[in-house]
This record gives sequence, C-alpha cells and structure tokens, in this order.
Amino acid sequence: QVQLQESGPGLVKPSGTLSLTCAVSGGSISNGNWWGWVRQPPGKGLEWIGEIYHTGSSNYNPSLASRVTISVDKSKNQFSLKLSSVTATDTAVYYCARESSEGYTYSWGQGTLVTVSS
Amino acid sequence: EVVLTQSPATLSVSPGERATLSCRASQSVSINLAWYQQKPGQAPRLLISGASTRATGIPARFSGSGSGTEFTLTISSLQSEDSAVYYCQQYNNWRTFGQGTKLEIK
Repeated sequence: QVQLQESGPGLVKPSGTLSLTCAVSGGSISNGNWWGWVRQPPGKGLEWIGEIYHTGSSNYNPSLASRVTISVDKSKNQFSLKLSSVTATDTAVYYCARESSEGYTYSWGQGTLVTVSS
Repeated sequence: EVVLTQSPATLSVSPGERATLSCRASQSVSINLAWYQQKPGQAPRLLISGASTRATGIPARFSGSGSGTEFTLTISSLQSEDSAVYYCQQYNNWRTFGQGTKLEIK
C-alpha cells in the first residue's frame, strides 16, 4: 500500500519560501498517478495547491500559480512543494496526496503544520 | 473557478437515522465530484468518486448521487464513528472543495 510522508520546516518567516517534501513508500512515483499538495488553514476548509506527474508535467491552482513550484525526484521517489513570498495567510496544515488520473485524491499523507511568523 | 456550496453547515442526527448532505456547483461538473470524510486531527479520507462510486473499503451505508450541479451524499443507519466533517470536491475544472458539512451524532 502506497504511503506518503511530508517533511520540512514547521516555521517560515514572512516573505520567505515554504519548502516541503513528500516521500512515497510502498510503490513507485512513476506508477501512473498524479501527486499533489492540498492545504488546510487551522479550523478552515481544504484548498488544492497543485499536482505533478512523474514526467514533470504539472498543474497549479490559478490563485497560487505565481508563487508555487512542484517538482519530482524519481531517484528518491519523492516530490516537493515550494511556495514563495509567504504571509501569515499561508499558515496551514499541508498535505501531500496521491491523485487519480481523473483528479480525485486516493490517499493523503498525515499532514504537517507550517506556521508563517517572525 | 467552480464554487461548491455545501449545505447544511452543521447537521445533527441520531444514531440509526439517515443523514443527507448536499453539494451544489456554480456550473456543471458532470459527474466529476468526490466526497471526503475528515475526523479531527486526521487527514481526509476518500469516500466517493465519480459522484456515486464508493472507494475501496467504504461501507455500503455511504452512497452518492447527482450530476451536473446538484449532488448528495447519503449516510444511512448512522453510527457514532460517522461524526466528522464531510467535504465535496470537483475535479472537472481544476480542483475546488466545498466548505464542508459538520455531521454530529446526537
């Protein structure tokens, strides 16, 4: 069974860059799924950030596209998220996810809280 | 952007009864709609995709219906462990989520 695990700093300064990595275990990142990121501000709903295929093809939420980069490292079986110019409104639990080719999410990592604060 | 509006915001139902959750889209999403369950401190879990197809391991008491702009998640014979927030998501035009319905078991 494919499992996902997020890692990265839990605290980022305003105007800095948020960087997270998702390690994929129990299966290959090249198995035909898309791999995505979703975030959830404390006490609020879910927001899709973007997704990537093992070939490097990616799609982003238009509202975040100017600040988001998602990349894949097949040699390490992992993918990563970078979100630049962060503000307090980017404080959230960030989930990595395995998506179907249609676009819904099969499974999720446990999530990691990232706080933007000085 | 496709806006999904879920209703009601909160629903309180007794064990053994039926819960009906609604999700309305601002434009047609065909049947490209999924439902997720999220319990406190946990990641969401896929319940339904394609508007009506149960995910692997999801009990038959969870059912989805609808197409176009109107969708429903029905949970029959409610159990205490069904207490959670339920989100709909469309994947017809990028991806967007509804704001969630909190289901409380009396």
